[in-house]
Amino acid sequence: DAGVTQSPTHLIKTRGQQVTLRCSPKSGHDTVSWYQQALGQGPQFIFQYYEEEERQRGNFPDRFSGHQFPNYSSELNVNALLLGDSALYLCASSYGTGGTEAFFGQGTRLTVV
Amino acid sequence: AQSVAQPEDQVNVAEGNPLTVKCTYSVSGNPYLFWYVQYPNRGLQFLLKYITGDNLVKGSYGFEAEFNKSQTSFHLKKPSALVSDSALYFCAVRVTGTYKYIFGTGTRLKVLA
Repeated sequence: DAGVTQSPTHLIKTRGQQVTLRCSPKSGHDTVSWYQQALGQGPQFIFQYYEEEERQRGNFPDRFSGHQFPNYSSELNVNALLLGDSALYLCASSYGTGGTEAFFGQGTRLTVV
Repeated sequence: AQSVAQPEDQVNVAEGNPLTVKCTYSVSGNPYLFWYVQYPNRGLQFLLKYITGDNLVKGSYGFEAEFNKSQTSFHLKKPSALVSDSALYFCAVRVTGTYKYIFGTGTRLKVLA
């Protein structure tokens, strides 16, 4: 059983460009969340998708957007990249809204130059 | 504001000795509490969770944690540390009725041979 898979693993972009990160959830999971982890920090919640809708959003600007597909996979898009967007982007999947734990992918390391 | 605090940036312990990694939280509402571990260049790996019931919860790799409601703490413990336990540990809380995890800033555990 594959866990949460993310692609690509590493990415280098130029300031002002746009980027798309991808995530496939763990089998049986229907909910996908995205987190940004800056160097030396804990992950910060960007948003969560469920039933192809954004269910909750953290304190991130509208430059950050997402999508969930019918097969539950998800994309994170970031427009007009800033140097401060350089971070590890983590995708987490889960099932249901109770106390089930989220499973995390290995992350995509985005570097903006 | 809801928050999680991990007061120690780093904890050093000798192999074979007991270890404790501290976590306190401040939330309005009932919390679900989690511990995750992160190895270099990897995503987060679930260790254990407290949802309800017995205040002492046991998790993967011999780790356990004690929920203390009066002190709003959820410290991670292990009776006998291994060198392979050396990693970055994150405490997280999710308030019931919400979907996002709030993470602490992480504690680096170094187990010395």
